[in-house]
Amino acid sequence: DTAVSQTPKYLVTQMGNDKSIKCEQNLGHDTMYWYKQDSKKFLKIMFSYNNKELIINETVPNRFSPKSPDKAHLNLHINSLELGDSAVYFCASSQDREQLSGNTIYFGEGSWLTVV
Amino acid sequence: AQKITQTQPGMFVQEKEAVTLDCTYDTSDPSYGLFWYKQPSSGEMIFLIYQGSYDQQNATEGRYSLNFQKARKSANLVISASQLGDSAMYFCAMREISNTGNQFYFGTGTSLTVIP
Repeated sequence: DTAVSQTPKYLVTQMGNDKSIKCEQNLGHDTMYWYKQDSKKFLKIMFSYNNKELIINETVPNRFSPKSPDKAHLNLHINSLELGDSAVYFCASSQDREQLSGNTIYFGEGSWLTVV
Repeated sequence: AQKITQTQPGMFVQEKEAVTLDCTYDTSDPSYGLFWYKQPSSGEMIFLIYQGSYDQQNATEGRYSLNFQKARKSANLVISASQLGDSAMYFCAMREISNTGNQFYFGTGTSLTVIP
């Protein structure tokens, strides 16, 4: 069983379209994330979300919005796609226990988004 | 200031040799965790090793060891007996525990190439 799964793995779409990437984790974690990895391999946090709070990286355009129907899911919606949105998007999850700094972050396999 | 700094964009190592990938971090929290991830060309992010800020011993996982020097704020990854399959991007990461929950920070990565 895949711990963190995201779909689709590959997505090619035209500028201006709206698209969604789905993410599900079966680890029972209470915190989920979306990361963007650009062509230079830089990993940039976009959102982190648990049942208490959504933390948004202020540099993320408001065309990007996370939606969490429940604790195991965090979907990413992107409106009015632009060429610069082409990247790999990683969903991830972790357990947010204050005393255990060893709880690692588990990643999905990534979604390759290409905007043409 | 950067939370995680990886100063080696690319490294080469001969097969069967050992290699050290550098990582320095910046935090004022007494409790934090340090992680290394491997990203092969297939794209997935693979957790390799973890070191807690209070751990007295350096972490080891098979051929991976983490050279933790707390005073220097460094957490270098040592890969012994390099194999061709070790060719990948390697990311150093730190977890801080804050009032808002988990905060994970990633370095810019080091591309390792193992030469036959």
